[in-house]
Amino acid sequence: EAGVAQSPRYKIIEKRQSVAFWCNPISGHATLYWYQQILGQGPKLLIQFQNNGVVDDSQLPKDRFSAERLKGVDSTLKIQPAKLEDSAVYLCASSLGLAGFRAYEQYFGPGTRLTVT
Amino acid sequence: AQSVTQLGSHVSVSEGALVLLRCNYSSSVPPYLFWYVQYPNQGLQLLLKYTTGATLVKGINGFEAEFKKSETSFHLTKPSAHMSDAAEYFCAVSEGTGANNLFFGTGTRLTVIP
Repeated sequence: EAGVAQSPRYKIIEKRQSVAFWCNPISGHATLYWYQQILGQGPKLLIQFQNNGVVDDSQLPKDRFSAERLKGVDSTLKIQPAKLEDSAVYLCASSLGLAGFRAYEQYFGPGTRLTVT
Repeated sequence: AQSVTQLGSHVSVSEGALVLLRCNYSSSVPPYLFWYVQYPNQGLQLLLKYTTGATLVKGINGFEAEFKKSETSFHLTKPSAHMSDAAEYFCAVSEGTGANNLFFGTGTRLTVIP
């Protein structure tokens, strides 16, 4: 089966500009996650969707970050305006759902490396 | 609240030697525990997981880990390192309830010396 797809793979922008990332999860996966991975650190959850509803966005800086998952499939994550500290890899992951052991098997995409100058 | 501590940000082993990557966790409820591997410029790949049952779990590529509740540990081992094992390894914990969020450690970079 096809894995989690993300685009673009790399993006360089200047501070105060806006940027958007796209994610297409594995077919049939109801739960979608966006993580931020700063260099030298582990991934940190930004937002979690179950179908097209938000389950957890407590770590999302809502003054500049937004995310949506229209129709419960693809998702976009946007940053506007970007700051230097937003430089990181943004990882998208998906899982079958919230219930059962398989729910904990998250499959990750290759990530988008964002550099803010 | 959950947290994960990975001892040693860098570990070097010789090819054929034992690999031991350490992970300790804190959790207010019985945890679910995971090891992920990340190769350069790639996403994370699940190596193995502990949810319930047998405390010694086997994963892909010859890796295994043992859940020790008394030590709050979930160390990752492999009897004989291969050059292809060179990567970054992340331990993660989930409460196993509700939104099943994963909390990751800071990672351990494994170098295999020929």
